[in-house]
Amino acid sequence: DTEVTQTPKHLVMGMTNKKSLKCEQHMGHRAMYWYKQKAKKPPELMFVYSYEKLSINESVPSRFSPECPNSSLLNLHLHALQPEDSALYLCASSQPGRIYGYTFGSGTRLTVV
Amino acid sequence: KQEVTQIPAALSVPEGENLVLNCSFTDSAIYNLQWFRQDPGKGLTSLLLIQSSQREQTSGRLNASLDKSSGRSTLYIAASQPGDSATYLCAVTILQGAQKLVFGQGTRLTINP
Repeated sequence: DTEVTQTPKHLVMGMTNKKSLKCEQHMGHRAMYWYKQKAKKPPELMFVYSYEKLSINESVPSRFSPECPNSSLLNLHLHALQPEDSALYLCASSQPGRIYGYTFGSGTRLTVV
Repeated sequence: KQEVTQIPAALSVPEGENLVLNCSFTDSAIYNLQWFRQDPGKGLTSLLLIQSSQREQTSGRLNASLDKSSGRSTLYIAASQPGDSATYLCAVTILQGAQKLVFGQGTRLTINP
């Protein structure tokens, strides 16, 4: 299995809702990432988990809450989002070390209304 | 701070042409460099990964080169096809607290039949 699977593919939520994005990989990668991408822009790093521990939080607002229950799963919990949070949310994984590249999922298209 | 620049921002060429996309980075202390393809609204597909000790990698009609000392990489696409139309992103892996990927702004490529 060489894929990163993200669910759901599309999500519409109100500003008072609570929802979660899920990401799963079975490649044995020990680093997992959340990125946010706005239209016609490159992905922006949000969070990095390395060996199931949060190692980077790029000053992301607390309405985004990441969780890494085990080495294969990564969640992003969403609460009280704003319309400007609407974007494509991408999950990626890699193996720590110089020689490994990144594998990205197909993303979750999030719309906040 | 590592910065990645891609030139041109957009490129439109007729089918069958060979073309070159350019990427430059400001700090040569990279683990590796990866080229990705992104179709509209989709995730990122890895095309080529070049280790910092390597000079080039090839996959089918694609060839990527890396000159770490000058901070440059090129992606060469031979005999372009309409299906090659997409945004191409260059990214370098660096160590900053944890391993992270720094993206360029991308080149939007259109191949005209």
